[in-house]
Amino acid sequence: GAGVSQSPSNKVTEKGKDVELRCDPISGHTALYWYRQSLGQGLEFLIYFQGNSAPDKSGLPSDRFSAERTGGSVSTLTIQRTQQEDSAVYLCASSPGRSSYNEQFFGPGTRLTVL
Amino acid sequence: AQKVTQAQTEISVVEKEDVTLDCVYETRDTTYYLFWYKQPPSGELVFLIRRNSFDEQNEISGRYSWNFQKSTSSFNFTITASQVVDSAVYFCALRETSYDKVIFGPGTSLSVIP
Repeated sequence: GAGVSQSPSNKVTEKGKDVELRCDPISGHTALYWYRQSLGQGLEFLIYFQGNSAPDKSGLPSDRFSAERTGGSVSTLTIQRTQQEDSAVYLCASSPGRSSYNEQFFGPGTRLTVL
Repeated sequence: AQKVTQAQTEISVVEKEDVTLDCVYETRDTTYYLFWYKQPPSGELVFLIRRNSFDEQNEISGRYSWNFQKSTSSFNFTITASQVVDSAVYFCALRETSYDKVIFGPGTSLSVIP
């Protein structure tokens, strides 16, 4: 498939555990975004990567959240010591470049449930 | 500050009715892009249209049309002769050229009833 893929599609974890969410962007897309969508809510921006750099980390809700991107491709969003309020769908998107002109291509999301 | 408002949380229409989804934005930039995305029940967001701040021409694509009015900071989306397959959550989004973040509105959930 040529689209953005995310894994796992569903993750159930216990409060206090760490989780890693993975995003594989479309090949060649240099820009990558993470969003959080809580039930019935809009998209909350978390972090943006251009290549392997994250010029904007302002959306990360707390220091329990971190993200990295390697090789200008795969990205991992890590949530440490998960809390129940972290339960949401985490969406990844990629776009061809940094230009504001570019639309984003979204993955199917990872549904995280923290018990 | 950037902000996108979609005042209509939920809309329900009967099939074949026309429906307009409102989007109002705030920005200090003179150059920016506006987008509409559709999120069907399956969950994956799909890009519908983009418009840059210098292009106020309305656009029509099949049953979809968009009305961009810079004077009122609005970028409204009309579906003509709605169909059940149009049922989805629709998001309006703003991206300023000076800023990498894309700001999404809260979305409008559209239900088209057969």
